Amino acid sequence: DTGVSQNPRHKITKRGQNVTFRCDPISEHNRLYWYRQTLGQGPEFLTYFQNEAQLEKSRLLSDRFSAERPKGSFSTLEIQRTEQGDSAMYLCASSLAREGENEQFFGPGTRLTVL
Amino acid sequence: AQKITQTQPGMFVQEKEAVTLDCTYDTSDQSYGLFWYKQPSSGEMIFLIYQGSYDEQNATEGRYSLNFQKARKSANLVISASQLGDSAMYFCAMRRNSWGKLQFGAGTQVVVTP
Repeated sequence: DTGVSQNPRHKITKRGQNVTFRCDPISEHNRLYWYRQTLGQGPEFLTYFQNEAQLEKSRLLSDRFSAERPKGSFSTLEIQRTEQGDSAMYLCASSLAREGENEQFFGPGTRLTVL
Repeated sequence: AQKITQTQPGMFVQEKEAVTLDCTYDTSDQSYGLFWYKQPSSGEMIFLIYQGSYDEQNATEGRYSLNFQKARKSANLVISASQLGDSAMYFCAMRRNSWGKLQFGAGTQVVVTP
C-alpha cells in the first residue's frame, strides 16, 4: 500500500496523559499536513511541513501540541496533558509541491478519545 | 479572511438521479484552488475534483463536475447518475496558494436511496 498511513488508528486515553500519533506520507511527497476533525465538522488545519521545516502553525495548535518531521519523511504529532476537548479525528495529508500537483492525499486518521 | 459555506446540511437523492451540492466561498485572493472531497462513513477523505481560479473551463472527473461561477464565488459539485456508493459526507475546500493548507466547509451529508 503506497498511500498515507497513520498509527494508531484509535487511541483512548485518560485526561492529563500524553499521546503521540505518527503519519507516514506517500514516499516522494515533500509536503505534509495535519488537520483535526470533530464530529459533524469539516477538517481544521493544524500545521504543515515542507520537508523537515514546519512552515505554518494554526492558532488552534496550543502549547500542548507539538509536531515534528525530523528527516523530512514521517511526522509525529504529540499532545501533552490531554483534555476532553482534544477528542477528535486527527488527519494527516501529504502532497507533492510541484506545479500541476493539486491534490492532498489523506490518511485514514487517528481517532482520539480522551476520557 | 477566507470562508467556505455549504448551506445544505443533508440531502436525499434517488439512485440514477443527479444531485447538486452547493458551495460558496469568500476570498480576496486572485489565485486560489477549489476542491471537493468525499468522506464515507469509514472516515477516509477521498479527493474528487479540483478547479483553479484561472481555469476557464469547468472541471470534470467522470460523474463529477464542478460548476464554477467566479463572479458569484460559487463552486457547486454536480454528481450525475447517483449510485448507492455515493452516500457520504461531501466537503468543499479552498486553498489560498499553490500548495498551502486547505480550508473546509462544514460539509453536506448525501444519502442515495434505491
